[in-house]
Amino acid sequence: GENVEQHPSTLSVQEGDSAVIKCTYSDSASNYFPWYKQELGKRPQLIIDIRSNVGEKKDQRIAVTLNKTAKHFSLHITETQPEDSAVYFCALTGGSYIPTFGRGTSLIVHP
Amino acid sequence: DAGITQSPRHKVTETGTPVTLRCHQTENHRYMYWYRQDPGHGLRLIHYSYGVKDTDKGEVSDGYSVSRSKTEDFLLTLESATSSQTSVYFCAIRAGQNQPQHFGDGTRLSIL
Repeated sequence: GENVEQHPSTLSVQEGDSAVIKCTYSDSASNYFPWYKQELGKRPQLIIDIRSNVGEKKDQRIAVTLNKTAKHFSLHITETQPEDSAVYFCALTGGSYIPTFGRGTSLIVHP
Repeated sequence: DAGITQSPRHKVTETGTPVTLRCHQTENHRYMYWYRQDPGHGLRLIHYSYGVKDTDKGEVSDGYSVSRSKTEDFLLTLESATSSQTSVYFCAIRAGQNQPQHFGDGTRLSIL
């Protein structure tokens, strides 16, 4: 089955810095890679996703990159703000009904 | 936001009692999922459904059962609740295999 490792588990940055979270996977059949943000006490929400025929996707301060050869994908947040503080989950799906989630990264942005 | 409603939002009950959580969607999505979320464990899949009356187990299914008698409703039942089932439960829906999941607001369940 699919497996995904997410690092780091905790990331602390100063406001205005960039943050990068990386996920590695093992199943080459994986072809859809979403990222979710979960604020404290709230539900996970999709912030960006990428499909296997694309190498990079950007949406304002957020970008995701995918390296299918090396089997890893990363979330990049530039010019971080305190409201970016949350837990971020990577996920992936391949040929099954079941998305696989990373264990999450707690991002703390210090003002 | 996707039309997905979980009920109840909060529940406190005693060990040994049955508990049913409801997930209702208005999106007509095929796939529905139940997760539990505990500190240090991320999101763990309990059961999922890929159509009416089509369900299967996830990684932490022991002590839980599900039913999906119509597209819009996915019920999670704890037949005899235990304290280890105290958790936050999230329902999610998905339109297709390479589509994102949309999560409900969660149910905070405490079993004393």
